Amino acid sequence: QKEVEQDPGPLSVPEGAIVSLNCTYSNSAFQYFMWYRQYSRKGPELLMYTYSSGNKEDGRFTAQVDKSSKYISLFIRDSQPSDSATYLCALASYNTDKLIFGTGTRLQVFP
Amino acid sequence: DTGVSQNPRHKITKRGQNVTFRCDPISEHNRLYWYRQTLGQGPEFLTYFQNEAQLEKSRLLSDRFSAERPKGSFSTLEIQRTEQGDSAMYLCASSLSADTQYFGPGTRLTVL
Repeated sequence: QKEVEQDPGPLSVPEGAIVSLNCTYSNSAFQYFMWYRQYSRKGPELLMYTYSSGNKEDGRFTAQVDKSSKYISLFIRDSQPSDSATYLCALASYNTDKLIFGTGTRLQVFP
Repeated sequence: DTGVSQNPRHKITKRGQNVTFRCDPISEHNRLYWYRQTLGQGPEFLTYFQNEAQLEKSRLLSDRFSAERPKGSFSTLEIQRTEQGDSAMYLCASSLSADTQYFGPGTRLTVL
Protein backbone atom coordinates (compact mmCIF):
# COMPACT_ATOMS: atom_id res chain seq x y z
CA GLN A 1 0.00 0.00 0.00
CA LYS A 2 1.32 3.44 -0.95
CA GLU A 3 1.71 5.96 1.86
CA VAL A 4 -0.36 8.51 -0.09
CA GLU A 5 -3.12 7.71 -2.57
CA GLN A 6 -4.42 10.25 -5.07
CA ASP A 7 -6.81 9.72 -7.95
CA PRO A 8 -4.82 10.52 -11.12
CA GLY A 9 -7.87 11.74 -13.04
CA PRO A 10 -8.06 13.34 -15.51
CA LEU A 11 -10.82 15.51 -14.14
CA SER A 12 -12.60 17.68 -16.70
CA VAL A 13 -14.97 20.44 -15.55
CA PRO A 14 -16.62 23.51 -17.07
CA GLU A 15 -15.44 26.99 -16.18
CA GLY A 16 -17.06 28.21 -12.96
CA ALA A 17 -17.44 24.74 -11.43
CA ILE A 18 -16.37 23.81 -7.90
CA VAL A 19 -13.55 21.27 -8.02
CA SER A 20 -12.74 18.79 -5.27
CA LEU A 21 -9.34 17.11 -5.23
CA ASN A 22 -8.54 14.47 -2.63
CA CYS A 23 -5.79 12.38 -1.08
CA THR A 24 -5.83 9.65 1.51
CA TYR A 25 -2.87 8.56 3.58
CA SER A 26 -1.99 5.69 5.84
CA ASN A 27 0.71 7.03 8.19
CA SER A 28 -0.64 8.89 11.22
CA ALA A 29 2.82 10.46 11.71
CA PHE A 30 2.09 12.92 8.90
CA GLN A 31 1.54 16.34 10.43
CA TYR A 32 2.16 18.81 7.59
CA PHE A 33 -0.14 18.87 4.58
CA MET A 34 0.53 20.76 1.37
CA TRP A 35 -0.96 21.23 -2.06
CA TYR A 36 1.14 22.01 -5.10
CA ARG A 37 0.09 22.95 -8.61
CA GLN A 38 2.24 21.83 -11.53
CA TYR A 39 1.85 23.04 -15.08
CA SER A 40 3.17 20.84 -17.86
CA ARG A 41 6.99 20.66 -17.92
CA LYS A 42 7.31 23.09 -15.00
CA GLY A 43 8.29 22.67 -11.35
CA PRO A 44 5.58 22.30 -8.66
CA GLU A 45 4.25 25.57 -7.23
CA LEU A 46 3.23 25.67 -3.57
CA LEU A 47 -0.46 26.60 -3.24
CA MET A 48 -1.33 25.95 0.38
CA TYR A 49 -0.04 24.29 3.52
CA THR A 50 -1.65 23.46 6.82
CA TYR A 51 -0.85 21.62 10.05
CA SER A 52 -4.13 20.90 11.72
CA SER A 53 -7.49 19.35 11.05
CA GLY A 54 -10.06 21.76 9.69
CA ASN A 55 -10.26 24.22 6.83
CA LYS A 56 -7.86 26.86 5.56
CA GLU A 57 -8.98 29.29 2.91
CA ASP A 58 -6.94 31.39 0.47
CA GLY A 59 -8.93 33.18 -2.21
CA ARG A 60 -10.67 30.60 -4.39
CA PHE A 61 -8.79 27.73 -2.73
CA THR A 62 -9.75 25.87 0.46
CA ALA A 63 -7.61 23.13 1.99
CA GLN A 64 -9.34 20.68 4.29
CA VAL A 65 -7.69 18.14 6.57
CA ASP A 66 -9.40 15.33 8.49
CA LYS A 67 -6.71 13.59 10.52
CA SER A 68 -9.14 11.10 12.06
CA SER A 69 -10.02 9.79 8.59
CA LYS A 70 -6.53 10.43 7.13
CA TYR A 71 -8.11 12.39 4.32
CA ILE A 72 -7.15 15.74 2.80
CA SER A 73 -8.93 17.81 0.18
CA LEU A 74 -8.41 20.88 -1.94
CA PHE A 75 -11.46 22.77 -3.16
CA ILE A 76 -11.30 25.25 -6.01
CA ARG A 77 -14.24 27.62 -6.37
CA ASP A 78 -15.18 29.38 -9.61
CA SER A 79 -12.63 27.33 -11.54
CA GLN A 80 -10.89 29.01 -14.47
CA PRO A 81 -9.19 27.60 -17.59
CA SER A 82 -5.91 28.85 -16.09
CA ASP A 83 -6.44 26.35 -13.24
CA SER A 84 -5.85 23.53 -15.73
CA ALA A 85 -2.81 21.74 -14.32
CA THR A 86 -1.79 18.76 -12.23
CA TYR A 87 -2.47 19.11 -8.51
CA LEU A 88 -0.21 17.27 -6.11
CA CYS A 89 -0.79 16.65 -2.44
CA ALA A 90 2.35 16.41 -0.29
CA LEU A 91 2.73 15.31 3.31
CA ALA A 92 5.53 15.39 5.86
CA SER A 93 6.02 14.25 9.42
CA TYR A 94 7.68 16.11 12.31
CA ASN A 95 10.93 14.17 12.28
CA THR A 96 11.92 14.60 8.63
CA ASP A 97 11.95 17.23 5.90
CA LYS A 98 11.12 14.63 3.27
CA LEU A 99 7.87 15.35 1.41
CA ILE A 100 5.80 12.37 0.32
CA PHE A 101 3.80 13.23 -2.77
CA GLY A 102 0.68 11.76 -4.26
CA THR A 103 0.74 10.85 -7.93
CA GLY A 104 -1.11 14.05 -8.83
CA THR A 105 -4.56 14.70 -10.29
CA ARG A 106 -4.72 16.22 -13.75
CA LEU A 107 -7.42 18.90 -13.95
CA GLN A 108 -8.80 20.42 -17.12
CA VAL A 109 -11.18 23.38 -16.95
CA PHE A 110 -12.86 24.07 -20.27
CA PRO A 111 -14.46 27.42 -21.23
CA ASP B 1 13.90 36.61 -10.37
CA THR B 2 14.60 35.47 -6.80
CA GLY B 3 13.22 31.94 -7.08
CA VAL B 4 15.08 28.64 -7.22
CA SER B 5 17.08 28.25 -10.42
CA GLN B 6 18.35 25.06 -12.04
CA ASN B 7 20.81 24.47 -14.83
CA PRO B 8 20.76 23.07 -17.39
CA ARG B 9 17.04 22.91 -18.09
CA HIS B 10 17.49 19.98 -20.44
CA LYS B 11 20.23 17.40 -20.78
CA ILE B 12 20.50 14.62 -23.31
CA THR B 13 23.26 12.12 -22.76
CA LYS B 14 24.33 8.69 -23.85
CA ARG B 15 24.17 5.72 -21.51
CA GLY B 16 27.33 5.42 -19.47
CA GLN B 17 28.19 9.12 -19.46
CA ASN B 18 28.37 11.25 -16.32
CA VAL B 19 26.12 14.28 -15.87
CA THR B 20 26.04 17.10 -13.33
CA PHE B 21 23.17 19.40 -12.49
CA ARG B 22 23.28 22.64 -10.55
CA CYS B 23 20.72 24.22 -8.23
CA ASP B 24 20.80 27.77 -6.85
CA PRO B 25 18.35 28.12 -3.95
CA ILE B 26 16.49 31.21 -2.78
CA SER B 27 19.23 33.25 -1.15
CA GLU B 28 18.15 33.18 2.51
CA HIS B 29 17.07 29.51 2.51
CA ASN B 30 19.32 27.18 4.49
CA ARG B 31 17.60 23.94 3.42
CA LEU B 32 17.97 22.45 -0.02
CA TYR B 33 16.30 19.34 -1.44
CA TRP B 34 16.61 17.15 -4.52
CA TYR B 35 13.66 15.18 -5.88
CA ARG B 36 13.16 13.08 -9.00
CA GLN B 37 9.91 12.96 -10.97
CA THR B 38 8.97 10.53 -13.71
CA LEU B 39 6.02 10.87 -16.07
CA GLY B 40 2.66 10.48 -14.36
CA GLN B 41 4.17 10.32 -10.87
CA GLY B 42 4.69 12.76 -8.05
CA PRO B 43 8.20 13.87 -7.10
CA GLU B 44 10.24 11.35 -5.08
CA PHE B 45 12.67 12.54 -2.43
CA LEU B 46 16.37 11.95 -3.10
CA THR B 47 18.33 13.93 -0.53
CA TYR B 48 18.35 17.03 1.64
CA PHE B 49 20.91 19.50 3.00
CA GLN B 50 20.76 21.88 5.89
CA ASN B 51 23.47 24.42 5.16
CA GLU B 52 26.39 22.30 3.89
CA ALA B 53 25.45 19.14 5.81
CA GLN B 54 23.71 16.34 3.94
CA LEU B 55 21.19 15.15 6.53
CA GLU B 56 19.11 12.55 4.75
CA LYS B 57 19.45 10.35 1.68
CA SER B 58 16.83 8.16 0.07
CA ARG B 59 17.44 4.53 -0.81
CA LEU B 60 16.74 5.71 -4.36
CA LEU B 61 20.09 7.48 -4.27
CA SER B 62 22.34 4.67 -5.43
CA ASP B 63 26.13 4.87 -5.26
CA ARG B 64 26.11 6.33 -8.79
CA PHE B 65 24.46 9.46 -7.42
CA SER B 66 26.27 12.08 -5.38
CA ALA B 67 25.15 15.48 -4.18
CA GLU B 68 27.13 18.29 -2.66
CA ARG B 69 26.43 21.69 -1.24
CA PRO B 70 29.77 23.39 -0.63
CA LYS B 71 29.60 26.43 1.64
CA GLY B 72 25.87 25.94 2.08
CA SER B 73 24.97 27.86 -1.07
CA PHE B 74 24.38 26.20 -4.44
CA SER B 75 24.20 22.44 -4.82
CA THR B 76 25.24 19.96 -7.48
CA LEU B 77 23.81 16.53 -8.23
CA GLU B 78 26.05 14.19 -10.21
CA ILE B 79 24.99 10.94 -11.80
CA GLN B 80 27.82 8.64 -12.89
CA ARG B 81 27.51 5.95 -15.56
CA THR B 82 23.99 7.01 -16.48
CA GLU B 83 21.38 4.37 -17.29
CA GLN B 84 18.18 4.70 -19.29
CA GLY B 85 16.21 4.36 -16.05
CA ASP B 86 17.76 7.61 -14.85
CA SER B 87 15.70 9.53 -17.42
CA ALA B 88 13.46 11.83 -15.39
CA MET B 89 12.91 15.40 -14.25
CA TYR B 90 15.31 16.31 -11.45
CA LEU B 91 13.80 18.94 -9.19
CA CYS B 92 15.49 21.10 -6.61
CA ALA B 93 13.66 22.87 -3.80
CA SER B 94 14.71 25.19 -1.01
CA SER B 95 13.13 26.32 2.22
CA LEU B 96 13.52 27.76 5.69
CA SER B 97 11.29 24.99 7.11
CA ALA B 98 10.00 21.61 5.97
CA ASP B 99 6.46 22.71 5.28
CA THR B 100 7.17 25.40 2.69
CA GLN B 101 9.49 23.98 0.08
CA TYR B 102 9.76 26.05 -3.08
CA PHE B 103 10.68 24.23 -6.25
CA GLY B 104 12.78 25.22 -9.21
CA PRO B 105 11.83 24.55 -12.85
CA GLY B 106 13.71 21.25 -12.94
CA THR B 107 16.31 19.67 -15.19
CA ARG B 108 14.92 17.16 -17.66
CA LEU B 109 17.38 14.33 -18.26
CA THR B 110 17.11 12.01 -21.23
CA VAL B 111 19.49 9.05 -21.37
CA LEU B 112 19.75 7.48 -24.82
